[in-house]
Amino acid sequence: AQKITQTQPGMFVQEKEAVTLDCTYDTSDPSYGLFWYKQPSSGEMIFLIYQGSYDQQNATEGRYSLNFQKARKSANLVISASQLGDSAMYFCAMRDLTSGTYKYIFGTGTRLKVLA
Amino acid sequence: KAGVTQTPRYLIKTRGQQVTLSCSPISGHRSVSWYQQTPGQGLQFLFEYFSETQRNKGNFPGRFSGRQFSNSRSEMNVSTLELGDSALYLCASTLSPRTSEDTQYFGPGTRLTVL
Repeated sequence: AQKITQTQPGMFVQEKEAVTLDCTYDTSDPSYGLFWYKQPSSGEMIFLIYQGSYDQQNATEGRYSLNFQKARKSANLVISASQLGDSAMYFCAMRDLTSGTYKYIFGTGTRLKVLA
Repeated sequence: KAGVTQTPRYLIKTRGQQVTLSCSPISGHRSVSWYQQTPGQGLQFLFEYFSETQRNKGNFPGRFSGRQFSNSRSEMNVSTLELGDSALYLCASTLSPRTSEDTQYFGPGTRLTVL
């Protein structure tokens, strides 16, 4: 069955340092998409970055990059030069056709706290 | 381009009442999904609509229902509210539900409190 696992309930990082948020996934579909979202305390889920299963290169969007290791089924989010405004919940999500429909599956999230 | 909008942003109801939440997707997006988020259960999928038809459904009781209009706007309704229905309800839109790479964009959510 499809599954997204985020094993880090909470993380701390010093301002200006890089941090890696872990995400592993399980799917039997060869075609899938992986997404990361940020949810500040305000509640809105903000799309950060996308990686397709057939993409040869790791996705990057500004300070965000996705460390995609297909054989290990991992899609870790790397945030470089952390800022105080990066403090939030981060969710990893996947979309594939395993269930017969393109349903999004979300992980349980990682709460990141950036320290000044 | 305007983002996903949800109304109302905050709502307080009492047990037994019913509530209707509204979601307007990004212009041109035809698929709308609804999620319930609580501290205990995390983010749970409610249902997805595309072209006025429910395409996916999560594991929620029949008290939770939804619909989509011809302009892609969507509403969800919860009848006979229970204390456990207190949650943040998030709406998200995508261009189409047909591919794995379509990105889902979320609205700001409606925070429902049931007293």
